[in-house]
Amino acid sequence: EVQLVESGGGLVQPGGSLRLSCAASDFTFSDYAMQWVRQAPGKGLEHISTISSNGVGTYYADSVKGRFTISRDNSKNTLYLQMGSLRADDMAVYYCATLGVATGLGDFDYWGRGTLVTVSS
Amino acid sequence: QSVLTQPPSASGTPGQRVTISCSGSSSNIGSNLVYWYQQLPGTAPKLLIYRNNQRPSGVPDRFSGSKSGTSASLAISGLRSEDEAAYYCASWDDSLRGVGFGGGTKLTVL
Repeated sequence: EVQLVESGGGLVQPGGSLRLSCAASDFTFSDYAMQWVRQAPGKGLEHISTISSNGVGTYYADSVKGRFTISRDNSKNTLYLQMGSLRADDMAVYYCATLGVATGLGDFDYWGRGTLVTVSS
Repeated sequence: QSVLTQPPSASGTPGQRVTISCSGSSSNIGSNLVYWYQQLPGTAPKLLIYRNNQRPSGVPDRFSGSKSGTSASLAISGLRSEDEAAYYCASWDDSLRGVGFGGGTKLTVL
């Protein structure tokens, strides 16, 4: 069964940086575009970034453009999200996912359990 | 402000049929497929409906999706207590060049 396991969340001060990782297993990671979706406490879902299967193409929501960088290492089956200039409104649970709605691959839609990023002084 | 518009709450009694609406625009629902997710408290979202009205393996046929123009809806029949969750619609948005989500509808089973 497809597994996605996020790590790297934690407490960071405003203006600080953090790198999230997502370890993928039980599917051919290098064949699929990957996404990051976040959910602020008590709020809805926000698609913030996508990376193509070969890592060349990327997308960022306006809310994170210029501050966050998505990348991947297909040799390690791992997705990353480098977050910088963090603000209070970046506080959220961050999910990595293979969003069918983004890839057009229908029900090939899997989510990790998420990792919590807390931005506070 | 979410890209797609959902009612914040819905409710029903066990056995009832409930529908949740999702309103969008020509750049998202009007020209792209609609997906629905169920999120139980404290867990990650789970795919419920894909490509407007398709159910992934393991999703009961009590759940159904439909789309018309720039709107979509999720119907849950034979409501059960375990259906109490938040439900989100999603669609690709050609203007954003990303995924637009609805704000979520919290379903309460009375």
